[in-house]
Amino acid sequence: LAKTTQPISMDSYEGQEVNITCSHNNIATNDYITWYQQFPSQGPRFIIQGYKTKVTNEVASLFIPADRKSSTLSLPRVSLSDTAVYYCLVGDPTYGAGSYQLTFGKGTKLSVIP
Amino acid sequence: DGGITQSPKYLFRKEGQNVTLSCEQNLNHDAMYWYRQDPGQGLRLIYYSQIVNDFQKGDIAEGYSVSREKKESFPLTVTSAQKNPTAFYLCASRSWGGDLSYEQYFGPGTRLTVT
Repeated sequence: LAKTTQPISMDSYEGQEVNITCSHNNIATNDYITWYQQFPSQGPRFIIQGYKTKVTNEVASLFIPADRKSSTLSLPRVSLSDTAVYYCLVGDPTYGAGSYQLTFGKGTKLSVIP
Repeated sequence: DGGITQSPKYLFRKEGQNVTLSCEQNLNHDAMYWYRQDPGQGLRLIYYSQIVNDFQKGDIAEGYSVSREKKESFPLTVTSAQKNPTAFYLCASRSWGGDLSYEQYFGPGTRLTVT
């Protein structure tokens, strides 16, 4: 499984756009990039997943450069309720690939300030 | 409502006792997972199961055991051999579906305290 590196913590004011970057230098050809959000004492929640270029949903955008060695999760206009830990994961989701499990690092603790 | 349930939410046990944590899902998912989370840390995989009657060890399986007799259920037993069992335990499930989604659905977790 590809190792990921992301900042331990970030602070942002309410209403600002937040970008969290994740490095994954040894990403494999079949690997996808997935981001999860976790609030205290709750299970993680899937936010977004992508393979290359840009993916957008109602919650966030995911930017992946051509070399795929990094990715950036973008949260538009954050609110206090976005205060959480954000995890970047890399792996091959296809059945039979062998990497069925997800490896969660320590994630990035985002604190949104009023 | 479809989802994953874990019970109980809080569990207290004396050292030396085995304890079983429940995980049930009605999402018709094939794969199920157990993770452990310590304060300020990420999740670490204990066991996972792709199909009924089959399961594999994760990164920290020592001192734990599981069973998968039904698709809906994946109970985790924390045995007395687990040296530091106090932690937050999370169960998750996932469907293959062929959609290449890496989305796992997590339960609310069980906080186990062993004294």
